[in-house]
Amino acid sequence: ETGVTQTPRHLVMGMTNKKSLKCEQHLGHNAMYWYKQSAKKPLELMFVYNFKEQTENNSVPSRFSPECPNSSHLFLHLHTLQPEDSALYLCASSQDSGGGADTQYFGPGTRLTVL
Amino acid sequence: GQNIDQPTEMTATEGAIVQINCTYQTSGFNGLFWYQQHAGEAPTFLSYNVLDGLEEKGRFSSFLSRSKGYSYLLLKELQMKDSASYLCAVLDSNYQLIWGAGTKLIIKP
Repeated sequence: ETGVTQTPRHLVMGMTNKKSLKCEQHLGHNAMYWYKQSAKKPLELMFVYNFKEQTENNSVPSRFSPECPNSSHLFLHLHTLQPEDSALYLCASSQDSGGGADTQYFGPGTRLTVL
Repeated sequence: GQNIDQPTEMTATEGAIVQINCTYQTSGFNGLFWYQQHAGEAPTFLSYNVLDGLEEKGRFSSFLSRSKGYSYLLLKELQMKDSASYLCAVLDSNYQLIWGAGTKLIIKP
């Protein structure tokens, strides 16, 4: 399944580093999402973009900065992260993000470790 | 607040049947999703229920009772490859997905 791809798959960074996560969807969808998945916790929605416009920011700290240059690409820029930010970061896409029960399709995630 | 409850972990035997329950309290309801997630992989869509009743899809079935705020995922003829986490998620009145923490299913030979 290559509908939604994410790079890198694994990332180890120090608290002073700056890095970016990349997501690309090949499904022709208009909405893209960033989620944080920590062990034994529900998926936490971070950001939603619909037609390149940010429609949701779920009180995410400013050390996480999303960018959506077009409907197929989504980035998550990381800087001065904390060890508690270590988690699996999942990208997803759907046909649209509001007013419908569109199925979300997920990428394999980036396993992030902050030292 | 909004809440999705599902068991943390379940164990079953290869060839058997297992039922994974999900109960929810949400502000509104626009459907319930089940996803499967193998370790280190993407969650993949299994089913969507918005009306009461049972939906069957091969070895997997999903049931919904809106009046009880309850759903279950039924897996038949279990195979070792069914070892995974199963995520329940409800679409609330704002069409936001509310997620459960997932049920880790362990299949033993």
